[in-house]
Amino acid sequence: GAGVSQSPSNKVTEKGKDVELRCDPISGHTALYWYRQSLGQGLEFLIYFQGNSAPDKSGLPSDRFSAERTGGSVSTLTIQRTQQEDSAVYLCASSFGQGNTEAFFGQGTRLTVV
Amino acid sequence: GIQVEQSPPDLILQEGANSTLRCNFSDSVNNLQWFHQNPWGQLINLFYIPSGTKQNGRLSATTVATERYSLLYISSSQTTDSGVYFCAVCRYNQGGKLIFGQGTELSVKP
Repeated sequence: GAGVSQSPSNKVTEKGKDVELRCDPISGHTALYWYRQSLGQGLEFLIYFQGNSAPDKSGLPSDRFSAERTGGSVSTLTIQRTQQEDSAVYLCASSFGQGNTEAFFGQGTRLTVV
Repeated sequence: GIQVEQSPPDLILQEGANSTLRCNFSDSVNNLQWFHQNPWGQLINLFYIPSGTKQNGRLSATTVATERYSLLYISSSQTTDSGVYFCAVCRYNQGGKLIFGQGTELSVKP
């Protein structure tokens, strides 16, 4: 596609449920990033995929969070047993990778845990 | 890891005024980007500028890599410039992920 696409745009879920957030990167981009932004805060790094390398998971806040990237393209961020503190906007970005090219962000998924 | 500091944290301008936003980083980097987050939350790419100077309309940016800082200049500000400006850097041999500063929140009053 022309840009990074994320779905859904908004998600309301009950505490304790699992959620899946999807990111379609720009075609040809080998690097994919997930960030989280709580209300009024900066961007918190979650996970980074680069090609076939092992992902950098150093930002995942707990073992309830996981992400995968199938076929080097689409990525899914899964949050298990959601908690109210998981409420935030989840942002995905992609780039050509190698850490020295321009990254572009999707519009984000606003997650609300009630 | 690399630390990124942005200043000022907040800025209020009258429409038509000029401003300079600063981004300091603690180590050499391969990539530096400036983003504008609009009131709807969308992150808009402004500049990809690991070094040198670039201009795009009323906005320009300069990165002095040897001194580890970057500046974003906004001239003749407009109300639509309001939002949060983020600087982000990465260093390939430290994994390549983008590391963000905390942002500068700009409010332009009519």
